Amino acid sequence: DGGITQSPKYLFRKEGQNVTLSCEQNLNHDAMYWYRQDPGQGLRLIYYSQIVNDFQKGDIAEGYSVSREKKESFPLTVTSAQKNPTAFYLCASSIGAEEAFFGQGTRLTVV
Amino acid sequence: DQQVKQNSPSLSVQEGRISILNCDYTNSMFDYFLWYKKYPAEGPTFLISISSIKDKNEDGRFTVFLNKSAKHLSLHIVPSQPGDSAVYFCAARAISNFGNEKLTFGTGTRLTIIP
Repeated sequence: DGGITQSPKYLFRKEGQNVTLSCEQNLNHDAMYWYRQDPGQGLRLIYYSQIVNDFQKGDIAEGYSVSREKKESFPLTVTSAQKNPTAFYLCASSIGAEEAFFGQGTRLTVV
Repeated sequence: DQQVKQNSPSLSVQEGRISILNCDYTNSMFDYFLWYKKYPAEGPTFLISISSIKDKNEDGRFTVFLNKSAKHLSLHIVPSQPGDSAVYFCAARAISNFGNEKLTFGTGTRLTIIP
């Protein structure tokens, strides 16, 4: 089955630690995205990548980093510089101008 | 600066009646619009879209209307069913020559269908 997979579903991080969220898709989509959802804030774009080895900052990129070494994978690292990392993170992919398909999300909690 | 706005954070509708969710945008470069439905702790799922060359698109119980001059779109669900209870996000895209562009989302409207 084609789809987009995020792991883990739940993640706990101690303050000051970096943590990496995984996103894999087997839809052969060129574009991939990372969003963050906070209550009352909708979905805010962190980073997006339109092609392998290229990515652009979204609206709230500070404290995050990404890589796009393979078409199928777009991992997101939440660094210690992100002051308020507790949130629900969503990865998506798309092809052309069609709709984006989302993963099931990762809930990150800082303890 | 919120380029896509959903001014109603919540909406309650009686089962069987029409649900109307509204969305306004400010960026005149947007020319493709989408609606997503989201259940708690899940990723959004695509519902329906409309290109700026149209003013209406229909898919079963769901119809999206676009008023470009007013920079306004709406999603109509009729008849509303209990399973429609979810958060609905409006999203917009400015299509580039490259073909891919980021989606800009609104803040969402929580729809509750009352049995």
